[in-house]
Amino acid sequence: QSVLTQPPSASGTPGQRVTISCSGSSSNIGSNTVNWYQQLPGKAPKLLIYRNNQRPSGVPERFSGSKSGTSASLAISGLQSEDEADYYCAAWDDSLNGWVFGGGTKLTVL
Amino acid sequence: EVQLVESGGGFIQPGGSLRLSCAASGFTVSSNYMSWVRQAPGKGLEWVSVIYGGGTTHYADSVKGRFTISRDKSKNSLYLQMNYLRGEDTAVYYCARFLGVSDAFDIWGQGTMVTVSS
Repeated sequence: QSVLTQPPSASGTPGQRVTISCSGSSSNIGSNTVNWYQQLPGKAPKLLIYRNNQRPSGVPERFSGSKSGTSASLAISGLQSEDEADYYCAAWDDSLNGWVFGGGTKLTVL
Repeated sequence: EVQLVESGGGFIQPGGSLRLSCAASGFTVSSNYMSWVRQAPGKGLEWVSVIYGGGTTHYADSVKGRFTISRDKSKNSLYLQMNYLRGEDTAVYYCARFLGVSDAFDIWGQGTMVTVSS
């Protein structure tokens, strides 16, 4: 049971916009920044969004993040087949004194 | 090039011990926050441990008292000593750098598989 809650799956067709939610609590998302990681099949996770809505160099503008209260979301616009991957949200948890991850959302491009 | 390369995984019986290594290049391990994150087969990511620049360490409750994180400045490497291993420790173990400026794990290794089974 993950501390942060994500939908197990999401899907969309090429060109569509999809959103993945991440729900937490006051001890994690509510008081700390949220990061998003993309994990392609058989690969290591890759940082996609940091500090709620910042993109590392090289990450396309199609990817965007937002946070409100104890929830966050990742939006992918102009969906492409190569976006098919698992997506994880993460944040520091003040109560657990460690980082917590969402259970992951498997994105399928139909 | 900035990269992390893990090694040391393998097959081990319950109750056994294993030491994982993570060699860094392109940056200095001892100047950064470094963590271990694991992923059980078909499951999500789970943070395991962190060592801060000053040497302070923290562990997830699931491994506290059994795992020890450390680093070697001369080898620019990170380690995870795992004792009293259990079946639920079976996972791919990733080392990752936590960058304060980003407040995120910005560099990940390719992972090393640990299988605990009799």
